[in-house]
Amino acid sequence: LAKTTQPISMDSYEGQEVNITCSHNNIATNDYITWYQQFPSQGPRFIIQGYKTKVTNEVASLFIPADRKSSTLSLPRVSLSDTAVYYCLVGAGGYNKLIFGAGTRLAVHP
Amino acid sequence: GAVVSQHPSWVICKSGTSVKIECRSLDFQATTMFWYRQFPKQSLMLMATSNEGSKATYEQGVEKDKFLINHASLTLSTLTVTSAHPEDSSFYICSARQGEAFFGQGTRLTVV
Repeated sequence: LAKTTQPISMDSYEGQEVNITCSHNNIATNDYITWYQQFPSQGPRFIIQGYKTKVTNEVASLFIPADRKSSTLSLPRVSLSDTAVYYCLVGAGGYNKLIFGAGTRLAVHP
Repeated sequence: GAVVSQHPSWVICKSGTSVKIECRSLDFQATTMFWYRQFPKQSLMLMATSNEGSKATYEQGVEKDKFLINHASLTLSTLTVTSAHPEDSSFYICSARQGEAFFGQGTRLTVV
């Protein structure tokens, strides 16, 4: 399973764009990159998933360079409610287990 | 999206007793479910993989006799913490995959 490295914490202000980068140098050919959000005392919630290039949904964008050794989660115009821990996970699809790294603790300030 | 539900959301038990936590996939069948444990300010730690109709696969360092897992149906997996002690107090989270992974809301276990 590919190991991931993320910044431990980030601070931002309401209305700003936040970019969280994750390194995964040992990503395998059949691995996908998935980001989850977790609020205190809740289970993680799926944000976005991608394999290569760029993926966008209603809440975020995911940028993946050609070598796939890193990825960047982009949150446009964050609000206070985006304060949470964000996890980058790398693994194959199907029913394979997911191993969590340390995650990035994002604090959004007024 | 798919929903995974855990019960109870929180439980307090006395030291030495056993506690059962249920994890259900509400709108899909899950032959495989995963159990995680999370201590305050820490990440999720995978404890075991629950396989429907067969024995669970435990991660290194997790005591299989202490954390009993049963996956008797395609929509239900249970985790029983046997002879619980205060150090077992934690946030337990289950997950099931249907492509992406879906997580339960978690169970806060406090052993007093």
